[in-house]
Amino acid sequence: DVKVTQSSRYLVKRTGEKVFLECVQDMDHENMFWYRQDPGLGLRLIYFSYDVKMKEKGDIPEGYSVSREKKERFSLILESASTNQTSMYLCASSPTVPTYEQYFGPGTRLTVT
Amino acid sequence: ILNVEQSPQSLHVQEGDSTNFTCSFPSSNFYALHWYRWETAKSPEALFVMTLNGDEKKKGRISATLNTKEGYSYLYIKGSQPEDSATYLCASRKGGQNFVFGPGTRLSVLP
Repeated sequence: DVKVTQSSRYLVKRTGEKVFLECVQDMDHENMFWYRQDPGLGLRLIYFSYDVKMKEKGDIPEGYSVSREKKERFSLILESASTNQTSMYLCASSPTVPTYEQYFGPGTRLTVT
Repeated sequence: ILNVEQSPQSLHVQEGDSTNFTCSFPSSNFYALHWYRWETAKSPEALFVMTLNGDEKKKGRISATLNTKEGYSYLYIKGSQPEDSATYLCASRKGGQNFVFGPGTRLSVLP
């Protein structure tokens, strides 16, 4: 079975802190994604990566950066956390072919106080 | 439709009832439509991927249909069980790697 793991299920940080969310997948997938999910809204894409050291902005990249130094690991960085970044963060990976089905991690619920 | 929409936002059904909900998506440049089930405290799990107009997929008591010309997909659950309680997400893909997700339909099946 594909496994996508995220470093924390729950995280509480203070405004202004630098926050790292880690995601690891074990299926050698080329593509990895970071989403956030807020009540009443769909999953919104923050960043994605289709290869090591490659990254593309999603729909809401402001306030975030990412790092992909190894194929299996994709990190989301909040350079200076703000209260409006309180959310559920989901990581996903997918193969490039054939169906692009995404496999999700369990999510990290981040609270910024 | 610019975004992916789902209706209803939530619903409650009795165990044994059949139910269905809708996903609406932009029909232009359509490539694929995905359905996911997201149970509380678990990861979203893929249910179906559909690409062709008229596609029908089935997994146990759950089935889905696709109309790419008018831009909608239906998800049906026959004889709902409490373990079907979850949020059901649909996502449209236009090609490339990106998905656009709907806000989800939260289903509660009451015993």
